[in-house]
Amino acid sequence: QKEVEQNSGPLSVPEGAIASLNCTYSDRGSQSFFWYRQYSGKSPELIMSIYSNGDKEDGRFTAQLNKASQYVSLLIRDSQPSDSATYLCAGPSFNAGKSTFGDGTTLTVKP
Amino acid sequence: DTGVSQDPRHKITKRGQNVTFRCDPISEHNRLYWYRQTLGQGPEFLTYFQNEAQLEKSRLLSDRFSAERPKGSFSTLEIQRTEQGDSAMYLCASSLLPAGVPYNEQFFGPGTRLTVL
Repeated sequence: QKEVEQNSGPLSVPEGAIASLNCTYSDRGSQSFFWYRQYSGKSPELIMSIYSNGDKEDGRFTAQLNKASQYVSLLIRDSQPSDSATYLCAGPSFNAGKSTFGDGTTLTVKP
Repeated sequence: DTGVSQDPRHKITKRGQNVTFRCDPISEHNRLYWYRQTLGQGPEFLTYFQNEAQLEKSRLLSDRFSAERPKGSFSTLEIQRTEQGDSAMYLCASSLLPAGVPYNEQFFGPGTRLTVL
């Protein structure tokens, strides 16, 4: 079992819809999680960080963390074609060391 | 530009040659990470430094790979006797970690794409 698992893709949503991306992790000691966006041929770009149970909102993005169930999710509201990318979940971060990445979910937003 | 920079952006080499990549982190960032990414996979951890100290190295990393951060600023990653399986995107990231903070936002450079023929 991988330490960080992401829901299999690809995911396709129409423009304006909500895109939901999920990630589960295996280690209950995990403290912090990160969502990165990666456009084809580019490097990952940090879009959200979450450290506490519950929701964290930033513009059209909402990250949700549930430590009891060991999952973290990312919701993208009012999806735009420019959101089309691969989204990477990263964690855990023991003692703020290395990050372990999932393999990503590719999102396509259709106009 | 105050982001993470990497050089070169692309490298094509023949099998058996040695290659070296450079990473310049965001100024004042004390941690520097190297990852490797192949198509369809997430970044795979290679090694990381806090200042000039190498704190962890992946057990998957063969002894052909070595990294340095001699003055706690830029870092180099060297691959000796390259193999075709080394073809990948090599990513560098940096973070600023005050003592006692358990989280670690990492910011990535543009990567170096290595092709081994």
